[in-house]
Amino acid sequence: NAGVTQTPKFQVLKTGQSMTLQCAQDMNHEYMSWYRQDPGMGLRLIHYSVGAGITDQGEVPNGYNVSRSTTEDFPLRLLSAAPSQTSVYFCASSYWSTGGVNEQFFGPGTRLTVL
Amino acid sequence: DAKTTQPNSMESNEEEPVHLPCNHSTISGTDYIHWYRQLPSQGPEYVIHGLTSNVNNRMASLAIAEDRKSSTLILHRATLRDAAVYYCILRDVGGSARQLTFGSGTQLTVLP
Repeated sequence: NAGVTQTPKFQVLKTGQSMTLQCAQDMNHEYMSWYRQDPGMGLRLIHYSVGAGITDQGEVPNGYNVSRSTTEDFPLRLLSAAPSQTSVYFCASSYWSTGGVNEQFFGPGTRLTVL
Repeated sequence: DAKTTQPNSMESNEEEPVHLPCNHSTISGTDYIHWYRQLPSQGPEYVIHGLTSNVNNRMASLAIAEDRKSSTLILHRATLRDAAVYYCILRDVGGSARQLTFGSGTQLTVLP
């Protein structure tokens, strides 16, 4: 299993540009999520999904869109990039069940710089 | 969500045990205690979790106080590869979302 994969690893954008960060997992996990991590800080949740066709907002959703058309893929779209979105973005996945105890698997991250 | 408090940083010598503390005085009866760690330039990885009893796995042990207001992650023999930020996280068993709420964690430095 490849686990959770993210592309690209690095990206530089100009203010106002749009782009999509890709995330895929091959573990048949129902739950997928996107976090951002700013320098010296913990991760903050952007959006999450509990299954194909179902998404919801996390703590910091403004400026980002998501969709979940398949179990495997959960892309994150930046609509109009701003310097405040400069960050490292992590995708995570886990099984979905009651209890909230399932281990979450994280991807290697995408380092995004917005000029 | 209940909050956790961890020291900003700790140091350990290689091949010695490390005890990483976490305070969670407002923990509720349905909160699980989870530990994740983040190695440099990598995504977080799961370490261990528990509810009331002490837990052991191949990576670490988790000691939970009887009143559950604190816990300690124990690395039995620290290696250089264990240098990372360690996050103590509470997860409500009845929570509607399965996100992890990360604080700033403890930066562990392992000295050779």
